[in-house]
Amino acid sequence: DADVTQTPRNRITKTGKRIMLECSQTKGHDRMYWYRQDPGLGLQLIYYSFDVKDINKGEISDGYSVSRQAQAKFSLSLESAIPNQTALYFCATSDLRRRSGNTIYFGEGSWLTVV
Amino acid sequence: DAKTTQPPSMDCAEGRAANLPCNHSTISGNEYVYWYRQIHSQGPQYIIHGLKNNETNEMASLIITEDRKSSTLILPHATLRDTAVYYCIVLRTGTASKLTFGTGTRLQVTL
Repeated sequence: DADVTQTPRNRITKTGKRIMLECSQTKGHDRMYWYRQDPGLGLQLIYYSFDVKDINKGEISDGYSVSRQAQAKFSLSLESAIPNQTALYFCATSDLRRRSGNTIYFGEGSWLTVV
Repeated sequence: DAKTTQPPSMDCAEGRAANLPCNHSTISGNEYVYWYRQIHSQGPQYIIHGLKNNETNEMASLIITEDRKSSTLILPHATLRDTAVYYCIVLRTGTASKLTFGTGTRLQVTL
């Protein structure tokens, strides 16, 4: 089983709809992240959370919101989806307490298409 | 954080060693060199990281020059499954939130 699990893996939604992407991890890490990747481009950080009570905006947070329901769960919401939010979304985790505190572990990704 | 420069693409024959270079001439003393790879549309995968000394794990070796201005990732016996985009990233400890992926090097392993 994957250490970082994302659901759904694929979703097609209509413009204006609310969509939630969920992420859960079994690694016991304190930090969680949401990234988006557009075709042929690098990853852009949307939001990150250092613990349950700490949420921080990344490079491209506009149009997105997040919720850290528990240490192991971090969800990403698009309140009113628009076509340019069509992308591949990745959840990730890291553990600052470890020597490799910068090592980030990624989920398998969620393809979101907004039509 | 220091910027990195990588060649856009490289080819390697299966079974041969793949040597992927990275320049990071502005690296600071407290910045680590990290390598990740992304196989088509999968989540990026951590490979290895180092500060000053050369490092080796089950996946690869990392050779860092003495002045730390460049490094080389070595895949000792490349296979077709190693075909991916490889990213060299420089970061200080505790700044994982600043991890950014540029364009990397697209490694094509061929028969």
